[in-house]
Amino acid sequence: AQKITQTQPGMFVQEKEAVTLDCTYDTSDQSYGLFWYKQPSSGEMIFLIYQGSYDEQNATEGRYSLNFQKARKSANLVISASQLGDSAMYFCAMRDPTTGNTPLVFGKGTRLSVIA
Amino acid sequence: NAGVTQTPKFRILKIGQSMTLQCTQDMNHNYMYWYRQDPGMGLKLIYYSVGAGITDKGEVPNGYNVSRSTTEDFPLRLELAAPSQTSVYFCASSYTKGPQYFGAGTRLSVL
Repeated sequence: AQKITQTQPGMFVQEKEAVTLDCTYDTSDQSYGLFWYKQPSSGEMIFLIYQGSYDEQNATEGRYSLNFQKARKSANLVISASQLGDSAMYFCAMRDPTTGNTPLVFGKGTRLSVIA
Repeated sequence: NAGVTQTPKFRILKIGQSMTLQCTQDMNHNYMYWYRQDPGMGLKLIYYSVGAGITDKGEVPNGYNVSRSTTEDFPLRLELAAPSQTSVYFCASSYTKGPQYFGAGTRLSVL
């Protein structure tokens, strides 16, 4: 079974600092996709960034970047210049190859709190 | 820019009642999904569909049914509601294997 592990239940970061949220995954497939989602206190799930297993460069989207280390099976999210609005739950997810590489398998999430 | 729309936003059911959670998307996505999120947990897949007329079970399908008669709509049916189905339900859609975009969720309590 595919598995996503997020080992940090909660993280604190000072405003304007960078923070790294950890994610490791377990799969025997060569082709897979990794996603990060943000869930603010309002509850919606917001797509942040995507990394394909064959992508040679780390994905970036504005202040979000993904530190993808394939050999270590890790896909850490880096948020630069943290803002108060970044306080939220963050979920790492992987496309599940056992179901045609379509639905997502989610980790349990990391709660990020940005301190002024 | 409606995206994925879920109704209702909140619902309280009595044990044994049934209901349908509605989901519609206007992005012409072919794939649609239903997830549930229990407190302090990530999302778990209930059912998904890769196109009209095609549905498949996810990790936690028991107690639920779905149908996909159109590209836009993917309702989730709860029959004989049980307290274990108290959760937040999310519908999502994607274009094939691209990023999934989520609705705002339905918070369901079964008492």
